[in-house]
Amino acid sequence: QKEVEQDPGPLSVPEGAIVSLNCTYSNSAFQYFMWYRQYSRKGPELLMYTYSSGNKEDGRFTAQVDKSSKYISLFIRDSQPSDSATYLCAMTRPGVSGKLSFGAGTTVTVRA
Amino acid sequence: NAGVTQTPKFRILKIGQSMTLQCTQDMNHNYMYWYRQDPGMGLKLIYYSVGAGITDKGEVPNGYNVSRSTTEDFPLRLELAAPSQTSVYFCASGYNEQFFGPGTRLTVL
Repeated sequence: QKEVEQDPGPLSVPEGAIVSLNCTYSNSAFQYFMWYRQYSRKGPELLMYTYSSGNKEDGRFTAQVDKSSKYISLFIRDSQPSDSATYLCAMTRPGVSGKLSFGAGTTVTVRA
Repeated sequence: NAGVTQTPKFRILKIGQSMTLQCTQDMNHNYMYWYRQDPGMGLKLIYYSVGAGITDKGEVPNGYNVSRSTTEDFPLRLELAAPSQTSVYFCASGYNEQFFGPGTRLTVL
């Protein structure tokens, strides 16, 4: 079993739709959770960073962490064609020198 | 403030050749990382460093070497390149929040 599982998609939605992305994980020691956005042929860009359980909102983006279910989500409201990218979840725990465990990534296309 | 820079952007190697991928960061981060990304596989950690002079292996270190003589630079060395090392290589710096460079696309033929 992989430490972090992410639905690879791909996901195609019309402009203005809500995009929902999810990851599950097996290691209950994870405490720091991130979402990265990666445009084609570019490096990953940190989108959201959350600590422990709860919600965090930044503009059109909302990150949710449910540690009891070992489940994290990213929601994109009013999606735009510029949101078309691959989204990677990542997480880490204390004491491992910041080493991240990544999901495989979900490719999202927002159709104009 | 350039963040994390990587050179070269692209490279084609023949089997058995060697090369060094360069990585430089200007954020004064102690922690730096090298990843490789293969299609549909996410990012795999090759090596990391917690400060100048201190490096350690990640998940997939075989065929690679690193050094860290300064806070800013963290080069990755490929010795005796093999087709299995065809990949996109990313350098990152930071601790829990990691900032990535633009990547080096390497093909070994």
